[in-house]
Amino acid sequence: QKEVEQDPGPLSVPEGAIVSLNCTYSNSAFQYFMWYRQYSRKGPELLMYTYSSGNKEDGRFTAQVDKSSKYISLFIRDSQPSDSATYLCAMGGEWGGSNYKLTFGKGTLLTVNP
Amino acid sequence: GAGVSQSPSNKVTEKGKDVELRCDPISGHTALYWYRQSLGQGLEFLIYFQGNSAPDKSGLPSDRFSAERTGGSVSTLTIQRTQQEDSAVYLCASRASPYNEQFFGPGTRLTVL
Repeated sequence: QKEVEQDPGPLSVPEGAIVSLNCTYSNSAFQYFMWYRQYSRKGPELLMYTYSSGNKEDGRFTAQVDKSSKYISLFIRDSQPSDSATYLCAMGGEWGGSNYKLTFGKGTLLTVNP
Repeated sequence: GAGVSQSPSNKVTEKGKDVELRCDPISGHTALYWYRQSLGQGLEFLIYFQGNSAPDKSGLPSDRFSAERTGGSVSTLTIQRTQQEDSAVYLCASRASPYNEQFFGPGTRLTVL
């Protein structure tokens, strides 16, 4: 079993839809969780950073962490064509391990159609 | 402020040649990472520098890969005797201690013919 599983998609939605992106992980030692957005031929851009279970909201984006289920989600409300990108989940901060490393999912390719 | 910069943005080389990729981290960031991103493979950790500590080289795929960081700032990733399987996007990220967030550069797209 891979440490981080993320459905690669592709996911195609109409403009204005609510998008749900998810990752599962197997290592219960992960302490913090991030979502990155990567446009084609660009570097990943940090979108959300969370440290605990629960929800964190930033504008149209909500990050959700459920440590008991080892499951994280990113919700995008009122999706826009400019949200079309690959979304990468990442996690790190392993207790007793290399707590400075991030482990990434493979990314989900999202297209929002006007 | 300025973000992480990388050069060149694209590099095409012939099999067997050596290449050098450069990363300029965000000013004041003491931690620097190199990653490789191949199609369908996600981000693969290569090497980590933190201040004056010995780097974590555990992700380097072979001894053809090496990296250095001079003066705690600029870093160079060197690939010797390049192979076609080295073709990928090489990403650099930096981080300010004691924070966890990593900030990425635009990457160098390496193509080995």
